Amino acid sequence: QKEVEQDPGPLSVPEGAIVSLNCTYSNSAFQYFMWYRQYSRKGPELLMYTYSSGNKEDGRFTAQVDKSSKYISLFIRDSQPSDSATYLCAMSKAAGNKLTFGGGTRVLVKP
Amino acid sequence: EAGVAQSPRYKIIEKRQSVAFWCNPISGHATLYWYQQILGQGPKLLIQFQNNGVVDDSQLPKDRFSAERLKGVDSTLKIQPAKLEDSAVYLCASSLGQTVAKNIQYFGAGTRLSVL
Repeated sequence: QKEVEQDPGPLSVPEGAIVSLNCTYSNSAFQYFMWYRQYSRKGPELLMYTYSSGNKEDGRFTAQVDKSSKYISLFIRDSQPSDSATYLCAMSKAAGNKLTFGGGTRVLVKP
Repeated sequence: EAGVAQSPRYKIIEKRQSVAFWCNPISGHATLYWYQQILGQGPKLLIQFQNNGVVDDSQLPKDRFSAERLKGVDSTLKIQPAKLEDSAVYLCASSLGQTVAKNIQYFGAGTRLSVL
């Protein structure tokens, strides 16, 4: 079993819809949780960075962490075609430690 | 501010050949990471440097992979000899350091390796 599980998709939504992404993990030692966006043939780009449980909002993006359920989510409001990409969740046990990634979810926002 | 630079962008080699990748991190970043991303999967850490010392190389296949970070700046990753299963994108990332506020990892565009 992988440490971090993520549905590969693809997830197809119409422009303007809310995109809902999630990851589950098995190791309770993870403390830092991130979401990265990766366009085709590009490196991952950090979207959200959270510590421990709770919610964090940044513009159209909201990240949620539920450590009791070992479950994290990313919501994208008012989705745009430019949001079409692969979204990777990542987590680490301590600051400066390696990141353990999910497999990524491919998202397609249709105009 | 310039990002993480990697070269080459693409490389095609035959199995059993050797190959090397180069990474120049963001200026001032003490920590450098090499990740391997196989098609359809998330990146997996191969090695982590703090300045020019190795912090974590537990998932580096040391019989064929080697990496160095001379003078604590640029880094090279080498594969010798390459196997078919080494076909992947090799991503370099860097971060300021190991405190909470400085742990954001910035990624380069990667080197796409095809082993035939």
